[in-house]
Amino acid sequence: GAVVSQHPSRVICKSGTSVKIECRSLDFQATTMFWYRQFPKQSLMLMATSNEGSKATYEQGVEKDKFLINHASLTLSTLTVTSAHPEDSSFYICSASGGGGDTQYFGPGTRLTVL
Amino acid sequence: KQEVTQIPAALSVPEGENLVLNCSFTDSAIYNLQWFRQDPGKGLTSLLLIQSSQREQTSGRLNASLDKSSGRSTLYIAASQPGDSATYLCAVNRASGSARQLTFGSGTQLTVLP
Repeated sequence: GAVVSQHPSRVICKSGTSVKIECRSLDFQATTMFWYRQFPKQSLMLMATSNEGSKATYEQGVEKDKFLINHASLTLSTLTVTSAHPEDSSFYICSASGGGGDTQYFGPGTRLTVL
Repeated sequence: KQEVTQIPAALSVPEGENLVLNCSFTDSAIYNLQWFRQDPGKGLTSLLLIQSSQREQTSGRLNASLDKSSGRSTLYIAASQPGDSATYLCAVNRASGSARQLTFGSGTQLTVLP
């Protein structure tokens, strides 16, 4: 149980385009979802926290207009990287928690490469 | 602001050795602490979770300890195997706030040589 999926697993795009990444909780209702970014050889950095049906809370230094987060249902959250640039190339990982518990279940990650 | 540090950054050991990975955190007001494993290019696998009221947790060859007052945790791996090779991350879950947020260390990259 407690499986979280991400799609796509890998995406390559041209600079200036927008990319959408999906995060799904497959067997539980995720009241809260988290989005992290991980640069090579570095740890995970929290980008934003989203609760179902409300606006996401962004960490300091994360541009909310560039990284659009939608959490419209209890099983799906999306992260859209708008007007992507090479410096946005990174490994994006989502996690989900719900059902009153605090445990976060992590997705397998999405590797974004912006050319 | 919570800061999590992991030492060493990388570790290479021969198969069969017992080893200890270290994690320290600056703010002792934590809800729990987790150890994760991350294989290259993959997501995170949760290994052990220690609640703030607990001192240790065990799962198979893994044992994690927590000393909240001193801001330290260790992950002990017994009889290491090549399949244990991965990056090990510790993360602390903060005690306050409506959403539990994890702060991660930068990880220890472990290589177990056959």
